[in-house]
Amino acid sequence: QLQLQESGPGLVKPSETLSLTCTVSGGSTDRGTYYWGWIRQPPGKGLEWIGSIFYKGDTYYNPSLKSRLTISVDTSKTHFSLNLTSVTAADTAVYYCAKLSTSKISPTSCYDHWGQGTLVTVSS
Amino acid sequence: EIVLTQSPGTLSLSPGERATLSCRASQSITNRYLAWYQQKPGQAPRLLIYGASSRATGVPDRFSGSGSGTDFTLTISRLEPEDFAVYYCQQYDSSPQTFGQGTKVEIK
Repeated sequence: QLQLQESGPGLVKPSETLSLTCTVSGGSTDRGTYYWGWIRQPPGKGLEWIGSIFYKGDTYYNPSLKSRLTISVDTSKTHFSLNLTSVTAADTAVYYCAKLSTSKISPTSCYDHWGQGTLVTVSS
Repeated sequence: EIVLTQSPGTLSLSPGERATLSCRASQSITNRYLAWYQQKPGQAPRLLIYGASSRATGVPDRFSGSGSGTDFTLTISRLEPEDFAVYYCQQYDSSPQTFGQGTKVEIK
């Protein structure tokens, strides 16, 4: 069974960089051919797509975050990461990593496996 | 970007009743690339429906999706106690993919 787990600091100061890692385990050996994504959810609010990455490293970002965002994947295909610079209180949210469904082979797809999420608070 | 509007905001029903949730798009979603998720407090969303009407693995058949173009519906035929949660729709027809604001199904 494919599992995803987010990790990283729970508290980031304003203007600093938010860095998270998603560790992928289990599942089939072809998981290296998947698209992976990050989604966030501010407390009490809805879901927002952050960005997606293909195992080869091709990235796709939400235009609203693109200027501050970097998503990368390691060559072992067991981790992918998110860096969001110049954070403000508006970036406070639960951050999820997820696997995109192969029902549509695209960086724009639905998500069939999710991590449990990690709360990141931006505060001094 | 495509804006998704879900209605109602809250649905108050009793176990055993039928739930009908709506998701309306600001422009037509081609190829019916519309998904529905269930989210319970403190948990990640769970994929229920993809391609507007296909059930994800392990999803009970009391959940069904329908619709095309700009109007989509999630129906829960008979509510079980574990179905009380927040439901989100997502369009993945065009980038940026977007989510609706959610419908909360609560116990009446």
